[in-house]
Amino acid sequence: QVQLQQWGAGLLKPSETLSLTCAVYGGSFSDNHWNWIRQPPGKGLEWIGEINHSGSTSYNPSLRSRVTISVDTSKNQFSLRLRSVTGADTAMYYCARGKSHEPILIGSYFYYYYYMDVWGRGTTVTVSS
Amino acid sequence: DIQMTQSPPTLSALVGDRVTITCRARQTIDSWLAWYQQKPGKAPKLLIYKASSLASGVPSRFSGRGSGTEFTLTISRLQPDDFATYYCQQYKSSHSFGQGTKLEIK
Repeated sequence: QVQLQQWGAGLLKPSETLSLTCAVYGGSFSDNHWNWIRQPPGKGLEWIGEINHSGSTSYNPSLRSRVTISVDTSKNQFSLRLRSVTGADTAMYYCARGKSHEPILIGSYFYYYYYMDVWGRGTTVTVSS
Repeated sequence: DIQMTQSPPTLSALVGDRVTITCRARQTIDSWLAWYQQKPGKAPKLLIYKASSLASGVPSRFSGRGSGTEFTLTISRLQPDDFATYYCQQYKSSHSFGQGTKLEIK
């Protein structure tokens, strides 16, 4: 059974860099995509970005200029860095596994579609001066 | 980014009721839609994927339908444990979530 354990600094000052890590226990690390999602207090879910085992990333356009997601396959871990944080970045941050359907061949390319089936417990990050 | 709109934002119901939540996509997402349940202080839990496939361990009173731009999540006989917030999520093009539907006890 796959479990995700996440950790990182919970209190930051404006302009600092948010840094979180998520460790994957059980299951295959290489067959899935690994995601970060956040949820401001009392609000809905926002996808931040994802990475696969080979280091290929995709980011939410609204955060792309400040986000880096990286992977350490030797430890089955992936990490999130969000630069220049402000109060608007205060949120619960979740890591989640992206489980892929069988690839779909469209034209000459395979497309992968995946949903989040396993989530970490979340890390509260507060940005305050 | 594909915008997802859920309705209603809040739904009041009784134990034993049948309820339906609607999710609309601004453009077609085929059947690449998931539904999640979230309780206060907890991470979201996957209920449905590919619009109508029940996730492992999810009770059969939950069902999903739809394709293209309009989707529904139905709970056939509400149980006390079902009162929570529900989110739809498209994964046709990147990922985006609906704003959520809070299911409350009437």
